[in-house]
Amino acid sequence: DGGITQSPKYLFRKEGQNVTLSCEQNLNHDAMYWYRQDPGQGLRLIYYSQIVNDFQKGDIAEGYSVSREKKESFPLTVTSAQKNPTAFYLCASSKNPSLNEQFFGPGTRLTVL
Amino acid sequence: AQSVTQPDIHITVSEGASLELRCNYSYGATPYLFWYVQSPGQGLQLLLKYFSGDTLVQGIKGFEAEFKRSQSSFNLRKPSVHWSDAAEYFCAVVASGGSYIPTFGRGTSLIVHP
Repeated sequence: DGGITQSPKYLFRKEGQNVTLSCEQNLNHDAMYWYRQDPGQGLRLIYYSQIVNDFQKGDIAEGYSVSREKKESFPLTVTSAQKNPTAFYLCASSKNPSLNEQFFGPGTRLTVL
Repeated sequence: AQSVTQPDIHITVSEGASLELRCNYSYGATPYLFWYVQSPGQGLQLLLKYFSGDTLVQGIKGFEAEFKRSQSSFNLRKPSVHWSDAAEYFCAVVASGGSYIPTFGRGTSLIVHP
């Protein structure tokens, strides 16, 4: 079955450490997205990529970095510069970016200790 | 830039009762509209979408939504709620002809009483 996988499901990090969240899709979708979800805030866009080797900042990119070396993969690194990284992170993909019906992964909950 | 408002943070209904979740958007032209559902600790799942044509759209799990241009609304409805419908519901808007990046509402939490 095609879909989006995110790993790990839960992630704990000490302050000052960088951590990378994995996102893989086998839907053959061109576009991929990273969102951050906080209680009562809805989804906020961190980064997105509409094609391999290209990506753009979203609304809250500071303290995050991404890469898109393969169509299937769009990892997100939460750096030590992100002041409040504890959140639920969602990865999504879209076959047609101009219509942008999105398919979501199960999410990664990151907790900074 | 487009914006989305879901006026109700929480909605409580009894099982078997009807449901309407409100969504209002702000955008100059006709946007693409979506409703997603999220169970606790899970990702979002698409319930239904509107691109053009018939303003009443049917989705999965017995949900429907109606696009009303005059009211800039895209309200989600279900005639009879089941306990398994308890979840968070998000409305999303994509501006056609723009960056095509969706804007999500803040969500409405649905509580279902037995």
